[in-house]
Amino acid sequence: NAGVMQNPRHLVRRRGQEARLRCSPMKGHSHVYWYRQLPEEGLKFMVYLQKENIIDESGMPKERFSAEFPKEGPSILRIQQVVRGDSAAYFCASSPQTFYEQYFGPGTRLTVT
Amino acid sequence: SQQGEEDPQALSIQEGENATMNCSYKTSINNLQWYRQNSGRGLVHLILIRSNEREKHSGRLRVTLDTSKKSSSLLITASRAADTASYFCATPNNAGNMLTFGGGTRLMVKP
Repeated sequence: NAGVMQNPRHLVRRRGQEARLRCSPMKGHSHVYWYRQLPEEGLKFMVYLQKENIIDESGMPKERFSAEFPKEGPSILRIQQVVRGDSAAYFCASSPQTFYEQYFGPGTRLTVT
Repeated sequence: SQQGEEDPQALSIQEGENATMNCSYKTSINNLQWYRQNSGRGLVHLILIRSNEREKHSGRLRVTLDTSKKSSSLLITASRAADTASYFCATPNNAGNMLTFGGGTRLMVKP
């Protein structure tokens, strides 16, 4: 049973470009979460999705950030017109239900130049 | 403000010694989880302890939970150099759909 998969592992974008981060949850998990980690800090919740639905996006910046989890395929975190402050590690996690352990992927390290 | 805050922020010990990390939180919880993160890597789930449990063991790990004091501790016995990592506690919100992480304890185990 493969774990949570994320790609790419490293992504370099120039200011103003778009970043697309992908996450495939563990098999059997229908709950997907995205977190952001700035250097030397803990993780901060961004968004929680189930298939085709955004359930809680209270941690997402209001502009430039969007997330989806389509019926088929991975969950996508999209950042438009990236700025240097978007440089961080973005982690995806999945769980079979709420209030269960969340299993994390290896993360995507975004660097904005 | 953070729901979970770890103490100490950094801990350096010799191989073979025990390491104790503490976590305090503010609101009532359904469960509390501990994670490990090696430098530059993803998070690895260690233990989940539910609010009606007081202690839980997994190998060399022992977690306690005191809901009256809103605190938890993680004890790693007979530490190894491979235990060097950051350790985070995390608590779910009321809907169970979001984990709030503390700032972590950076543990260094010297060989």
